Amino acid sequence: QVQLVQSGAEVKKPGASVKVSCKASGYSLTSQYMHWVRQAPGQGPEWMGIISPRDTTTAYAQKFQGRVTMTSDTSTSTVYMELRSLRSEDTAVYYCARGLHRAYCDFWGQGTLVSVSS
Amino acid sequence: DIQMTQSPSFVSASIGDRVTITCRASQDISRWLAWYQQKPGKAPDLLVYAASTLQSGVPSRFSASGSGTDFTLTISSLQPEDFATYYCQSANSFTFGPGTKVDI
Repeated sequence: QVQLVQSGAEVKKPGASVKVSCKASGYSLTSQYMHWVRQAPGQGPEWMGIISPRDTTTAYAQKFQGRVTMTSDTSTSTVYMELRSLRSEDTAVYYCARGLHRAYCDFWGQGTLVSVSS
Repeated sequence: DIQMTQSPSFVSASIGDRVTITCRASQDISRWLAWYQQKPGKAPDLLVYAASTLQSGVPSRFSASGSGTDFTLTISSLQPEDFATYYCQSANSFTFGPGTKVDI
């Protein structure tokens, strides 16, 4: 069965970077796109970007351009999302989600809480 | 940028009720729309994609329709497990709507 297992919670100071991993199993990583979505406390989901693990092409939401990088490692079936220059407003649960037909998020990771506080 | 709106933002309903949620896109998105259900502390679950196609395993009491800018999600007979927040998402810009909470 398809599973996406994410790395554990992180606590960061403002200005730092965080790198969240998402390990896929139950399917071939290169066969589907992967989205990253975050959700701040009490808020709705916010799309951050998408990566094609097959050719590593990416597309990022304009809001995160220049601050986010999504990568993949096919040898370990893992995708990564790095967010830099963290601020308190980046405190959120970060999810990876597989892209059904590229566009639709059909399987989600369990989420990774990133807390940013001085 | 495509903006997504939903109405109502909150629905107070009872078991067995018919519930309809509306989603509107700020520009034509054809049928590039998804609906998700989210329960507290959990990741969203895909209910519907391509505006009206039920994801595998989703009960038939859920239905969805629409194209262009106006879309609806209907729950024909609300069950206890349906109390949750529902989000629409434009599947070309990937923008989520603000959500509709279905509560007792």
